[in-house]
Amino acid sequence: AQSVTQPDIHITVSEGASLELRCNYSYGATPYLFWYVQSPGQGLQLLLKYFSGDTLVQGIKGFEAEFKRSQSSFNLRKPSVHWSDAAEYFCAVGPRGNNNDMRFGAGTRLTVKP
Amino acid sequence: GAVVSQHPSRVICKSGTSVKIECRSLDFQATTMFWYRQFPKQSLMLMATSNEGSKATYEQGVEKDKFLINHASLTLSTLTVTSAHPEDSSFYICSAPTSVGVEQYFGPGTRLTVT
Repeated sequence: AQSVTQPDIHITVSEGASLELRCNYSYGATPYLFWYVQSPGQGLQLLLKYFSGDTLVQGIKGFEAEFKRSQSSFNLRKPSVHWSDAAEYFCAVGPRGNNNDMRFGAGTRLTVKP
Repeated sequence: GAVVSQHPSRVICKSGTSVKIECRSLDFQATTMFWYRQFPKQSLMLMATSNEGSKATYEQGVEKDKFLINHASLTLSTLTVTSAHPEDSSFYICSAPTSVGVEQYFGPGTRLTVT
């Protein structure tokens, strides 16, 4: 069965520092991969996605993620974190197929120190 | 981009009553919609897949008689929490894919509080 692991429950970084959020997946083939951000009490906002092609994908708000097949990873990065980036981040996988559901990681809560 | 709406955004109901949550795809048709549940500080857990014109498919452990799903049209799916109890208090999120095998678009969520 497909699964998503986000090893870090909570990460704290200083404003202006770089950020990397880890995501590992377990799936029989290359799935669709996504990163979402959720502010408290809000819905999900898509940051970026990987379907195929270039393994380094650019997203909104200065985020990027790199798909590494050999490591079954899809880590999210940002070179310089802003205070407004504080939120919950979810990695998700979606199987290639007809309208199938997505599976989410447990989430990583990002705190940004001034 | 595609937009999915949910109504209401927040609802408070008394224990034992039922509450209906609507999920609409505003500018596209969705033969399938998904309902997720999110407890505080936890991830989204898929509850069921809503299929237009047929019965919903429920995930293991989700009570189909308690969480009634109706997908009456290509743009509307409803989730009814019947005989709600405080433990049903949660954040319910729906989503709909726009194309086969491609990303889903998520609604803003509905915060249900059962008193």
